[in-house]
Amino acid sequence: EAGVAQSPRYKIIEKRQSVAFWCNPISGHATLYWYQQILGQGPKLLIQFQNNGVVDDSQLPKDRFSAERLKGVDSTLKIQPAKLEDSAVYLCASSLDWPTAGNQPQHFGDGTRLSIL
Amino acid sequence: DQQVKQNSPSLSVQEGRISILNCDYTNSMFDYFLWYKKYPAEGPTFLISISSIKDKNEDGRFTVFLNKSAKHLSLHIVPSQPGDSAVYFCAVTQGGSEKLVFGKGTKLTVNP
Repeated sequence: EAGVAQSPRYKIIEKRQSVAFWCNPISGHATLYWYQQILGQGPKLLIQFQNNGVVDDSQLPKDRFSAERLKGVDSTLKIQPAKLEDSAVYLCASSLDWPTAGNQPQHFGDGTRLSIL
Repeated sequence: DQQVKQNSPSLSVQEGRISILNCDYTNSMFDYFLWYKKYPAEGPTFLISISSIKDKNEDGRFTVFLNKSAKHLSLHIVPSQPGDSAVYFCAVTQGGSEKLVFGKGTKLTVNP
């Protein structure tokens, strides 16, 4: 079984520029998540999709961050404009179904490391 | 305010000995408790979980203990191996939501 694919692995941009990340979840996984992990912290959920609908985006800074999952498979996360505090690893995860009462683990990709200069 | 606390940033143990990683939480309504392991430059990998209705779950060398009265979770690794060296994250879910809330992690180093 192929894992969660993310690209690019690394990205360096200047503040106020825009950036986009791409995620391809495990085949057949209906639920997709984007997390932000700042150095020294645990991952923090930004947005959760069930198929192509948003389930939870309460912690997404909507003035600069946007995400979509148009066909219920791949997803993109965009930041525009970027700020220095957006430097982090952006992780995508997927799970088979929702809700699963916590016993269906989320599978994570290797993330995109974003550095803002 | 942190809902999930891992108060030890790092832990070092000898190969073959027991590793004990701890996690404290604040909300008695959390219903699932999970441990994830993370190697450098990789995403977190699910390790083991426990429901709030249980107090112990075992999977090979890994055992998770839940003390609801103390709002405390621990992961025991016996025996520890050098390949277990990684950052371990405690995470919780609440009320059927799949939203994982993570602690800050504990870096485990197992010395040969």
